[in-house]
Amino acid sequence: QKEVEQDPGPLSVPEGAIVSLNCTYSNSAFQYFMWYRQYSRKGPELLMYTYSSGNKEDGRFTAQVDKSSKYISLFIRDSQPSDSATYLCAMSGNTGGFKTIFGAGTRLFVKA
Amino acid sequence: KAGVTQTPRYLIKTRGQQVTLSCSPISGHRSVSWYQQTPGQGLQFLFEYFSETQRNKGNFPGRFSGRQFSNSRSEMNVSTLELGDSALYLCASSGGLAGGYNEQFFGPGTRLTVL
Repeated sequence: QKEVEQDPGPLSVPEGAIVSLNCTYSNSAFQYFMWYRQYSRKGPELLMYTYSSGNKEDGRFTAQVDKSSKYISLFIRDSQPSDSATYLCAMSGNTGGFKTIFGAGTRLFVKA
Repeated sequence: KAGVTQTPRYLIKTRGQQVTLSCSPISGHRSVSWYQQTPGQGLQFLFEYFSETQRNKGNFPGRFSGRQFSNSRSEMNVSTLELGDSALYLCASSGGLAGGYNEQFFGPGTRLTVL
């Protein structure tokens, strides 16, 4: 079993839809939770960064962390064609120090 | 502020050769992490350096090695290349201290093809 599970999709939605992306994890030592966006042939770009449980909002993006369920989510409101990319969840914590584990990434397509 | 730069951007090698990839972090960042990205395995952690010291490494064979210089620039080396080493190699930099480590900024990657 992988430490971090993420459905690779692809996920296709119409423009303006609310998108929900999720990851589950098995290691309760994870404390830092990140979401990255990666466009084709580019490096990942940090979107959201949260510590421990709770919600964090930034514009159209909301990140949620539920440590009791070992489940994290990223919501994208009013999705745009420019949001079409691969979204990767990532986690780190007291797992032997300074090591980030990434999910497989979910490929998102937003249709105009 | 300039971002993370990686050189070269593309590389073609043959089996058995060795390769060295370079990464220049964002100015002021002291932590550099290296990742391998493939369609089948996704993004996998190779190793992380802070102030010229390797603080952690992933589950890769000893053919994969790295180092960091006093100016925080980093190199990774792969010896005796295998076909399965074909991948996008990404480097990420961060401040490196505690929580600051987790805000990583990635470079564009080096795409290595092994023939």
